[in-house]
Amino acid sequence: GIQVEQSPPDLILQEGANSTLRCNFSDSVNNLQWFHQNPWGQLINLFYIPSGTKQNGRLSATTVATERYSLLYISSSQTTDSGVYFCAVMRPGSGNTGKLIFGQGTTLQVKP
Amino acid sequence: DAGVTQSPTHLIKTRGQHVTLRCSPISGHKSVSWYQQVLGQGPQFIFQYYEKEERGRGNFPDRFSARQFPNYSSELNVNALLLGDSALYLCASSSTTVSGAFFGQGTRLTVV
Repeated sequence: GIQVEQSPPDLILQEGANSTLRCNFSDSVNNLQWFHQNPWGQLINLFYIPSGTKQNGRLSATTVATERYSLLYISSSQTTDSGVYFCAVMRPGSGNTGKLIFGQGTTLQVKP
Repeated sequence: DAGVTQSPTHLIKTRGQHVTLRCSPISGHKSVSWYQQVLGQGPQFIFQYYEKEERGRGNFPDRFSARQFPNYSSELNVNALLLGDSALYLCASSSTTVSGAFFGQGTRLTVV
C-alpha cells in the first residue's frame, strides 16, 4: 500500500515564526488533504490539494504530484496554530469517497 | 449547514461489552467512512460505506461491523471490547461532487 511520511515529527516555534511541514508519499495519488487536529480531537480540513498551490490566509500548501510530495506553509504562527497536522492521501480509482491513508502527523507547539 | 455529527462524544465501557457509535453525514453526502485513532498515531481506516453498501474494509477483526441507513447515517458496532479498542473513533463523510472528506468531532471510547 501507499506509505505516507511526514516531517518533522515535532516542531516548536516562537509566535510569529514561519514553518514548513512536509509530506512524502510512495505512489500516485488522486486526493491529498491537510488536516489540523485540535486539542479536542476534531480533524479540521485545511486543504484539498492533489496538485498545485493553494492559499488560505496565513496557510498555504503546494503539492508536486510528479515528485510525490506536498508542503504546508504556516506564516506568522500563532499559539492557536498548535496541534497535530496530518497529511492524508487516497489512491487512484477511489474517486472522492475512498479510503484515506494518513501520515503519522507533525506535532506543532507555538510558544507565546 | 450542519457538519458531520457523531454521538456520543465520550463513552466508557467494560471489557467484553458491546458498543454502538453513530454518525450523521453532511447533508447530500452519500459516503461515510470510519477511522480509529489511537494515541500518538494517525487515523486508521476501518470501513467505508457508499450508497448503503460496504465499499472498503481495513485490517480490523470481525468484532468490528458497520452499516449505513437509507438516510445515509451510519453506525459502527464493536463486540467483545478489548482494552486495546480504547481510541478516538472518527467518522468522515464525502461526496462524489465535492472534493475531500470532512470529519466529525469523534467519539472517545475508553475500555476498562
